[in-house]
Order: sequence, then structure tokens, then C-alpha cells
Amino acid sequence: GQSLEQPSEVTAVEGAIVQINCTYQTSGFYGLSWYQQHDGGAPTFLSYNALDGLEETGRFSSFLSRSDSYGYLLLQELQMKDSASYFCAVSRGGATNKLIFGTGTLLAVQP
Amino acid sequence: GAVVSQHPSRVICKSGTSVKIECRSLDFQATTMFWYRQFPKKSLMLMATSNEGSKATYEQGVEKDKFLINHASLTLSTLTVTSAHPEDSSFYICSARAASGTSEQFFGPGTRLTVL
Repeated sequence: GQSLEQPSEVTAVEGAIVQINCTYQTSGFYGLSWYQQHDGGAPTFLSYNALDGLEETGRFSSFLSRSDSYGYLLLQELQMKDSASYFCAVSRGGATNKLIFGTGTLLAVQP
Repeated sequence: GAVVSQHPSRVICKSGTSVKIECRSLDFQATTMFWYRQFPKKSLMLMATSNEGSKATYEQGVEKDKFLINHASLTLSTLTVTSAHPEDSSFYICSARAASGTSEQFFGPGTRLTVL
């Protein structure tokens, strides 16, 4: 089977740093993406890792370890507007490069 | 750039009726579009992959005759929920991948379907 596991909920305060983990078990792996989704909205792309290591994009960074089938999203200098659901997603490659989404993590940022 | 729209954004229908949802790539051509279903506070579940000019590929457990997908052009894919029932109520989201270059998917704003 295929699975991408994330913590269901994370709570943090404004200005803090939070890490959201993702462990995956999939048939086929091309890369790991991270998406943000506010309630009732569309998922928006945050970051992508195809190779091991850290990718930094402003306040957001993403890490991948292919040997451990593990990745994380790091959010720094948290703001209230960062309260949302965060999903990791595995790209399976191939002609269509389908995405398989993780279970999702609801981040609540408190004042 | 890379904007994907969906229409309608919300729809309420009676049980037994069919509902069509449109997904359009507004400023790029999409050879491949994807349809997802999302229950409240749950993950996005891939339903099918839609390729322009060919039959859609459905994920395991998704009824082809229930969820009809048509990808008639490089900018439009439609999902028709046939003979809808209350258990079909959900948030349906499409995404599109550009015909050239990046493999990134661009997501539409979603359609909330409520079947009474």
C-alpha cells in the first residue's frame, strides 16, 4: 500500500519556529512537495525536494531524506496567517507524475 | 500566470440529479488535469487523471460510470457526478499540469457539492 503520515495537529505561537514531519511509503518516488491549504481554499504550492537536503524559500524550508523516506517542512517567524492545513505529497514520476497526498497537518498559530 | 478556475464554486442539488463541474486552465495549456475529492478536515484523494483527447485513468475504487470525466481541449476538463447521492457531497478540486516545462500542478479553487 501507499501511505504518507503527518501529525494531525500542531500548535505554535507567533514568531516561533515549527516543523511538520512527513514519513512516506509509496511505490515510485520522484520528489516530495509541500502544499498549504486554508479552510475551503485551493492548495497552494510551497516547496519541492527531489534530492536529499534542505531547500529554503523565504520563511519556509523543506528537507528530504530519501534513504529514510522522510521529509519535513520548517516554518520560521510564524504569523497568524500561517494557520492552515499543510500537506506533503509524493510525486510518483512517470508520464503523468501523479501526486499522492499525506494525511495533512492542521497548524494553529496563537498570539 | 498559471491560473486554474473551477465552475461552479458551490452547487446544491437533489438526490438523483447529475452535476457537471468545469476545470479550466486560464493562461496555459494543460495536457494533463487531475481530479481530487476532499472530505472535511481530510486529505486530497486522487480520483482520476485526465489527458486531453483520451480516456481518463481512474484510481482504484473510483466508479467510472459515476464520475464521468471529459478532457475535450487543452484548457478544459469536466467532471460529471451522475445520479448524485448525499454520500457524494464533498469538495472536488482539480489541478492542471502545463503542456511544457515544469511538472508542477496548479490547483483550482474547488467546488463544494452538497446533495440533498
